[in-house]
Amino acid sequence: KQEVTQIPAALSVPEGENLVLNCSFTDSAIYNLQWFRQDPGKGLTSLLLIQSSQREQTSGRLNASLDKSSGRSTLYIAASQPGDSATYLCAVTGANNLFFGTGTRLTVIP
Amino acid sequence: DTGVSQNPRHKITKRGQNVTFRCDPISEHNRLYWYRQTLGQGPEFLTYFQNEAQLEKSRLLSDRFSAERPKGSFSTLEIQRTEQGDSAMYLCASTQRRQAPEQYFGPGTRLTVT
Repeated sequence: KQEVTQIPAALSVPEGENLVLNCSFTDSAIYNLQWFRQDPGKGLTSLLLIQSSQREQTSGRLNASLDKSSGRSTLYIAASQPGDSATYLCAVTGANNLFFGTGTRLTVIP
Repeated sequence: DTGVSQNPRHKITKRGQNVTFRCDPISEHNRLYWYRQTLGQGPEFLTYFQNEAQLEKSRLLSDRFSAERPKGSFSTLEIQRTEQGDSAMYLCASTQRRQAPEQYFGPGTRLTVT
């Protein structure tokens, strides 16, 4: 069964700092990897999707990388802002559904 | 495109009662998924539909749970004889085809069983 792990579980940084969130998965036979943002008590907002044939995707201040062979992905956030405070979840796509990590809770301190 | 919608957003019920949630996917998305998320955890897959056919069910989906998608559009998730352990956020997502880019999630239904 696919296991997805996210490190760290929580992270606090001062505003303006660059940061990296880590995601690892045990089964490299994935179709896609998706990063989501979740605000407290809310649903999931898709941030970036990396298809299995790709190595990275960028959107604004966000950059996600994928190394399928080592079972790792990183989400890089540049010039963090207080509005970035949320839980970030990574999920890998199996044959029919997503397998999620437990998330990294990010707090950006003004 | 109005996104995935879910109703109700919050539900409080007493143990032993039945509850039903509704999900309306993005139109023309033929795949619809249900997930459950408990506090501090990532969402866990429950079941998915391709059009009106329910193609896979997780072992998390006990016999008290039933999901339908009668016309291949909206879906309902019913929980019978609710237990306190059923308290969670129930999330619905849709996508256009198998292995497609991005599953799009609704805002979720928060269930509290007292």
